[in-house]
Amino acid sequence: QKEVEQDPGPLSVPEGAIVSLNCTYSNSAFQYFMWYRQYSRKGPELLMYTYSSGNKEDGRFTAQVDKSSKYISLFIRDSQPSDSATYLCAMWDYKLTFGKGTLLTVNP
Amino acid sequence: DTAVSQTPKYLVTQMGNDKSIKCEQNLGHDTMYWYKQDSKKFLKIMFSYNNKELIINETVPNRFSPKSPDKAHLNLHINSLELGDSAVYFCASGQGADHEQYFGPGTRLTVT
Repeated sequence: QKEVEQDPGPLSVPEGAIVSLNCTYSNSAFQYFMWYRQYSRKGPELLMYTYSSGNKEDGRFTAQVDKSSKYISLFIRDSQPSDSATYLCAMWDYKLTFGKGTLLTVNP
Repeated sequence: DTAVSQTPKYLVTQMGNDKSIKCEQNLGHDTMYWYKQDSKKFLKIMFSYNNKELIINETVPNRFSPKSPDKAHLNLHINSLELGDSAVYFCASGQGADHEQYFGPGTRLTVT
């Protein structure tokens, strides 16, 4: 079993939709949980991170961590075409371990 | 005002050659990293350096040798390039607990 599992998609939604992106993990030592956004042919960009179980909100983005289920989510409200990118979950113990990324397309 | 920069952006070379990729960060961070992203977009850590000291070496072939002349620079030298080395290589930097890492734009290496 891989340490971090992420559905690669692709995921295609209409503009304005609520998007849900998810990852599961197996390593209980992970302490921080990150979401990165990567546009085509660009470097990953840190969107947000959480430390403990619960929710963290930043504008249209909400990150959710459930440590008991080893499950993290990123919700995007009122999705925009500019949100079209690959979203990578990442988890940290002493290094970052990434999921394989989910390709999201938001159609105008 | 690029925070993490890499050169070159593209690198096309033949098998067996030796090449280097350079990385510089102006964020004042203590730790720098090299990551490899393969054709399936899977991003995996290769090395990390903290204040010029090697901290993480993720079972990378010894054809890959990182060098950190100072804490703002981390270069990657690759000897005897192989087809399987074709990938995008990202430099990143971080501070403190290092879970917050900031990535450069990547170097797309193609070995023919």
